This record gives sequence, C-alpha cells and structure tokens, in this order.
Amino acid sequence: EPEVTQTPSHQVTQMGQEVILRCVPISNHLYFYWYRQILGQKVEFLVSFYNNEISEKSEIFDDQFSVERPDGSNFTLKIRSTKLEDSAMYFCAIEREGPYEQYFGPGTRLTVT
Amino acid sequence: AQRVTQPEKLLSVFKGAPVELKCNYSYSGSPELFWYVQYSRQRLQLLLRHISRESIKGFTADLNKGETSFHLKKPFAQEEDSAMYYCALRFGGFGNEKLTFGTGTRLTIIP
Repeated sequence: EPEVTQTPSHQVTQMGQEVILRCVPISNHLYFYWYRQILGQKVEFLVSFYNNEISEKSEIFDDQFSVERPDGSNFTLKIRSTKLEDSAMYFCAIEREGPYEQYFGPGTRLTVT
Repeated sequence: AQRVTQPEKLLSVFKGAPVELKCNYSYSGSPELFWYVQYSRQRLQLLLRHISRESIKGFTADLNKGETSFHLKKPFAQEEDSAMYYCALRFGGFGNEKLTFGTGTRLTIIP
C-alpha cells in the first residue's frame, strides 16, 4: 500500500490564526484529496487536486481554505483564519493511475481554541 | 445527490459469530463502492472495492443494484475485527473523483 505521511499529527491554534497542514506522499501520485472528520461525524470531502489545480471543491471549502503543491512533493492545506468549527481531523488522500484507489494519511488533529 | 447510509452506529458480535455491516446508497448512475476500515488510532485503510470482488481478511461484499446495497459480511468474527467501518461511494472507476462516506459502524467483537 502506498505510503503517505501528514504533519503535524496534532495542531492547536487560536481562533483567527492561520494554519498549514502538510501531506507528503512517499511515491509519485497524480491525484490528491483533503477530507475532514469532525468528532463524531462522518468523513467529508473538502477538495481534490490534479495537475497543479483544484479539480473539485465542496461547499465547506470556502475562501478561507487553499491548497497547493509548493515544491512538487508536499501537498498543503491552508486555513487562513481558523474558526472554532474548523476543529476536526484532516485527512490527506492520494491516488494514482491503474488501481485508482485512494490511500489515506494518518491525519492531523486540528484544535481551534 | 449521492448518499451513503450505514444504519447501525454500533454493532456488537460474539467471536466466531457471523458479521454483517449494512450499507445502502443512493446514486443515479453506476457507482463504485468501497469499504474502509479504521483500527484504533490508525489511518483509514481500504478493505474492499466492489469491482475487485476479492475477499480481504475473510470479508466479502456484494453490490446489489436492485436493493442499492453493499453489505459487508464475514462468516466468523475474530477479535481483531473490532474497528470502525466506513462504506464509501464514488462515481466511475477512474481517478480524480471524491469519495462520499457513510457515518460509519463501530464493530466490537465480544470474546
């Protein structure tokens, strides 16, 4: 199974602060995704990313969110001004051609106080 | 809109007994269905996808288009099967398509 890591594993931030969550795929992949899971709720799609641009985004992914691959390897999710309701587990997923299966990272627990 | 329903939030089964985790979906086209498993404090792992028709860790799932279901089954539960199970759906069989998840079922195997 392809490997993907996420940093940090846990981030605590104050409301209004900017956070950057990082996803590092070990091998080459084409498609990248961010999902989030608020405690006790289901995993929700945020955004998909292909060929250095957003393919699809959900209603959750508003102007406060952005994604990029700054160095062709790391895949980042930035929240410009965090809100209390952004507290959740954020999962990165990667996918490559052939099996077209999404493999998830271990997640970053974001706590906004 | 696509939707996945897992009616059981919690399910407890005795070791050695059969397991069935229910999943129903609504989607107008031809979806692709998956089961993901999350063991305690670990990442979401792909368990099954309907097009591969494999049996993983003794689990199987059959897509029933008439009943719009993709129930996960195992004939004899083992203690290591205790985990959170998520059913997921997406359009098509190619990449760059989001997954829509159900709310999950926490399976507990009683020794």
